[in-house]
This record gives sequence, structure tokens and C-alpha cells, in this order.
Amino acid sequence: EPEVTQTPSHQVTQMGQEVILRCVPISNHLYFYWYRQILGQKVEFLVSFYNNEISEKSEIFDDQFSVERPDGSNFTLKIRSTKLEDSAMYFCASTGTGNSGELFFGEGSRLTVL
Amino acid sequence: AQSVTQLGSHVSVSEGALVLLRCNYSSSVPPYLFWYVQYPNQGLQLLLKYTSAATLVKGINGFEAEFKKSETSFHLTKPSAHMSDAAEYFCAVTKTSYDKVIFGPGTSLSVIP
Repeated sequence: EPEVTQTPSHQVTQMGQEVILRCVPISNHLYFYWYRQILGQKVEFLVSFYNNEISEKSEIFDDQFSVERPDGSNFTLKIRSTKLEDSAMYFCASTGTGNSGELFFGEGSRLTVL
Repeated sequence: AQSVTQLGSHVSVSEGALVLLRCNYSSSVPPYLFWYVQYPNQGLQLLLKYTSAATLVKGINGFEAEFKKSETSFHLTKPSAHMSDAAEYFCAVTKTSYDKVIFGPGTSLSVIP
């Protein structure tokens, strides 16, 4: 069964460093999303992406964040200068035609900022 | 704007007892509604979804949910809890097939032997 894959599963970084989280969405999907979940808290929307541009972004998704689909298969989330409060689980999701809004999630990338 | 509330951040039931997890939504348009489950240190797995067809929706692992427009509710039930049902459950809403999905705060389900 097709699935969304994310790498790395866990990344530890120093405050102020740049981080890139990678996702490979399901191959025939066209809509891509990033969510984050701070430990023990709710799942929060960050950004949606379609047709090579951002469709919508939340207040969390400030200038420190960017997304890219560099090669037609990967979908990346970059955090330019990490802060302690960026420590969270980051989930990539995708969906396509006929899925009635259902998002297919990856297993997540846990980011720890020290 | 859409929003979701889940009554009870933590629910405990005995093994074999009825599971009832509550979800109420707010939406300006007919919504798509979902229940996702998250097991410890794992991603989000879809349990079931409502997409304006039948109001009673059956999902995986014996769960079902009923859409009640008059009550703006989408409560999740399972007749008999199993130990393996212990997890975090999220109710979620979206207004179109491709719009962002908004998640509720989650309910942690514990199953007591």
C-alpha cells in the first residue's frame, strides 16, 4: 500500500542551526501539508502546498519556515534558524483526487532543539 | 472558520466496556469529519470519515461514529473496549477535499484490565 515516508525520524540540533525535514508523499497525490505536534499537545497545521506554491499557511509558519518541492517527488520543510520552541514532532501529509479530504500521514520527524 | 472541541482530555474505560469519545465541530459549510488515532510514538492513522453520505460511519477496529447535524456532533463509539484501543484519538474537520484539516485537542483513552 502506498505510504508517505519521512526522514529523518529523529534529529537533534543546536539552537540557531538550520534543519531540513524531508517527505516523500504518495506518488499520485497533488496536495501536500506539514503539521506539527509539540509533545502532549494538539496537532497544528503549518502549511499546505499545491501546484508548486503555498496554498495556505498558519501563524506559526513565519519567515523562519519554508517549503519546497525540489524534484517532483520530495517535499521539504526548512527551518532556517531553530529555536527551542521548535522542538516537536513534524508530520507530513498528502492527499489526492477522490480521497474526500482524508490526509495520509507519514510517521513523523521528531526535532529536538538544544 | 472551522473548529473542533473534544470533551474530556482523558477517558478511562474497563476492558469490554463501551467506549464513547465526544466531538463537536463548528463549520460554516457542510463539513468533512474524521477520527484519527495515534498510538504512542507513531503517526496518525485514519479510523473513519464522514463525507455527507451515510450519517452512521463504520471504521476500522470496530469503531463507528454518527454525524448529527442538529447537535453539530460526531461522537466516536465502540461497543467493547480492548486493551489495544489505548491511544490518543483526534477528531478533525475540513470544509473541502483539499483544504487544511483542523484537529481537535485530542482525547487520551486508557483501557483498564
